[in-house]
Amino acid sequence: DTGVSQDPRHKITKRGQNVTFRCDPISEHNRLYWYRQTLGQGPEFLTYFQNEAQLEKSRLLSDRFSAERPKGSFSTLEIQRTEQGDSAMYLCASSMDKANTEAFFGQGTRLTVV
Amino acid sequence: GQQVMQIPQYQHVQEGEDFTTYCNSSTTLSNIQWYKQRPGGHPVFLIQLVKSGEVKKQKRLTFQFGEAKKNSSLHITATQTTDVGTYFCAGSGGSYIPTFGRGTSLIVHP
Repeated sequence: DTGVSQDPRHKITKRGQNVTFRCDPISEHNRLYWYRQTLGQGPEFLTYFQNEAQLEKSRLLSDRFSAERPKGSFSTLEIQRTEQGDSAMYLCASSMDKANTEAFFGQGTRLTVV
Repeated sequence: GQQVMQIPQYQHVQEGEDFTTYCNSSTTLSNIQWYKQRPGGHPVFLIQLVKSGEVKKQKRLTFQFGEAKKNSSLHITATQTTDVGTYFCAGSGGSYIPTFGRGTSLIVHP
């Protein structure tokens, strides 16, 4: 296992289009997080899964954003009707359990909305 | 909601000087982690602190967790050019979801 992988690494889309990103966490990790990072800022929490259950979503998360983790393994993050303000790095991270929240991050997907 | 503040935002040092970044939470934390992000890279875990007043060292890096579990610091002794990057603290509350600070970008001048 080489760590958390994300696909694609880069995505350029036109405003109004839908995009979907994929994250493959470290295989034995049951916790999976999505974060968004813009230039000069720290990662901002979007949502979190414990196995296949989505247990928490940020109040800042627009209803255009949806995430799934259907079998408790990989996860997808979809953004509908993209806006220029959605341009950011989308980071996925995974960790083992509640007591050990060391999160391993993927390389991220850089989204540019034009 | 939980907020994590980190200062300073930037720090320029001459190689060999020391560096410190400070992190404060609006609420009591279950634990705090520190991450390093190199330019163009992703955050990489450095350490986790759990106990009140805990101090941990990694070579030239010293991490502290406050007695009230609401603040933390990272101190680097005798900086090197390889220390360049942005250092983030991330605090976790009852849900154990890391909330990141804004980060401190360290610039080391040779």
